[in-house]
Amino acid sequence: RKEVEQDPGPFNVPEGATVAFNCTYSNSASQSFFWYRQDCRKEPKLLMSVYSSGNEDGRFTAQLNRASQYISLLIRDSKLSDSATYLCVVNKGRVNTGFQKLVFGTGTRLLVSP
Amino acid sequence: ETGVTQSPTHLIKTRGQQVTLRCSSQSGHNTVSWYQQALGQGPQFIFQYYREEENGRGNFPPRFSGLQFPNYSSELNVNALELDDSALYLCASSSFSGGAYNEQFFGPGTRLTVL
Repeated sequence: RKEVEQDPGPFNVPEGATVAFNCTYSNSASQSFFWYRQDCRKEPKLLMSVYSSGNEDGRFTAQLNRASQYISLLIRDSKLSDSATYLCVVNKGRVNTGFQKLVFGTGTRLLVSP
Repeated sequence: ETGVTQSPTHLIKTRGQQVTLRCSSQSGHNTVSWYQQALGQGPQFIFQYYREEENGRGNFPPRFSGLQFPNYSSELNVNALELDDSALYLCASSSFSGGAYNEQFFGPGTRLTVL
C-alpha cells in the first residue's frame, strides 16, 4: 500500500464548478500535511498547509482528519488557470531536527474547461 | 521563481554511465533535499543534506550519492545508470533554524533520460 494515496483523475470540470480532492495517508506519525500544485513539466509549488481545524485561502479550503488519516482540498469557482496536478503531501520529518521527508501522492489532475 | 536553480535542464545518458546533477539553494537556505519524479508519479525523496552531511535518506540504492558544499549548493551523483533512472530530478532547499516545518522551495528540475 502506498503511504499517500490519491485518485489520479483526471477531473474534468467546467469553469465556475466546485471540485473536491481527497487523499489518505498510512503513517499516523506524520507531522504535517500540505497540498502542492504542479503545472505540466514544472516544479511543485506549495499551495497550502493543511490543519485539523481546517484552513481557507480564497477559493481553496483544506481539511485534515487525523483520526481517519484523510486530507481534502476543495476548490470553489474553478478557473481555467486552476488546471494542474494537485499533489497531496505528508511530512515524515523529525521535529526540531531540520530533517524533513516529504512523501507525495501520485497527484490528481484537474482540467478546467470554458 | 523560487531562487533555486538546477543544471543542466536536460541530460541524455546511456545505461552504465555516471551522471552529476547540480543545485544552487535559495539565498539564506541551509538544507537541500533531492527528489526523483518518474512520469505520472509524485516526487520520491532521495536524501537530504544539512551542514554538508546527509541527514536522512529514502529508499534508494547506494549508487545514488550526494554532496553539499559550504555555500549550501549541492550535487546528486548517480553511478551505473539504469533505464529506470530516467526521471525528473528535483532539488528543494529550505532553512532550518529550530522549530517544526520550514517550507521547501523546489528548483525547476533536471530531466534525465537513460538510453
